[in-house]
Amino acid sequence: GENVGLHLPTLSVQEGDNSIINCAYSNSASDYFIWYKQESGKGPQFIIDIRSNMDKRQGQRVTVLLNKTVKHLSLQIAATQPGDSAVYFCAETPIQKAAGNKLTFGGGTRVLVKP
Amino acid sequence: EADIYQTPRYLVIGTGKKITLECSQTMGHDKMYWYQQDPGMELHLIHYSYGVNSTEKGDLSSESTVSRIRTEHFPLTLESARPSHTSQYLCASSYAYGEQFFGPGTRLTVL
Repeated sequence: GENVGLHLPTLSVQEGDNSIINCAYSNSASDYFIWYKQESGKGPQFIIDIRSNMDKRQGQRVTVLLNKTVKHLSLQIAATQPGDSAVYFCAETPIQKAAGNKLTFGGGTRVLVKP
Repeated sequence: EADIYQTPRYLVIGTGKKITLECSQTMGHDKMYWYQQDPGMELHLIHYSYGVNSTEKGDLSSESTVSRIRTEHFPLTLESARPSHTSQYLCASSYAYGEQFFGPGTRLTVL
């Protein structure tokens, strides 16, 4: 079936370095993608989103890249800080009325920031 | 911070008990969702609602039930809790399309 998945379950990164988290999706109808950050004991928190008519979108210290040709999504975190330690999820949905904004989540990647 | 609340945050209960997990949002969102999540694992949609008196089952089969009598309130009920129901339950809400806002979750343990 259609699914969204992550390549790496755990990413260990030195404080100050850049982090890259990858996500593959298989639903060709997907045209809206979101990255969420989930800290221990909390609900997921929105980081950044991107629509399929874009290849790249930047936020504060984060950049999302979308490669529709290979159905690949990535999240780049610049100058990783201890507060970035969390589990990161990608999610996708087709922007169609029938889809009802139901998100499909991939498995998470845990980011551990070393001091 | 999103204005979506869940109570209780933690619940430990014995097998066979009936429980209701509360979820409320003050953003006026029509759409609300319940997810089940085991620690560190992906989120699985178990229920969603498009508006008052509208509820649908999600992708993951669940023995729980939901109701949506008021826009802001979307409680989840387990008639008879079992150890297999032990998990974290996350509530979310959204506008018609786009970002879903999540509550802090309820961590349920059934003994």
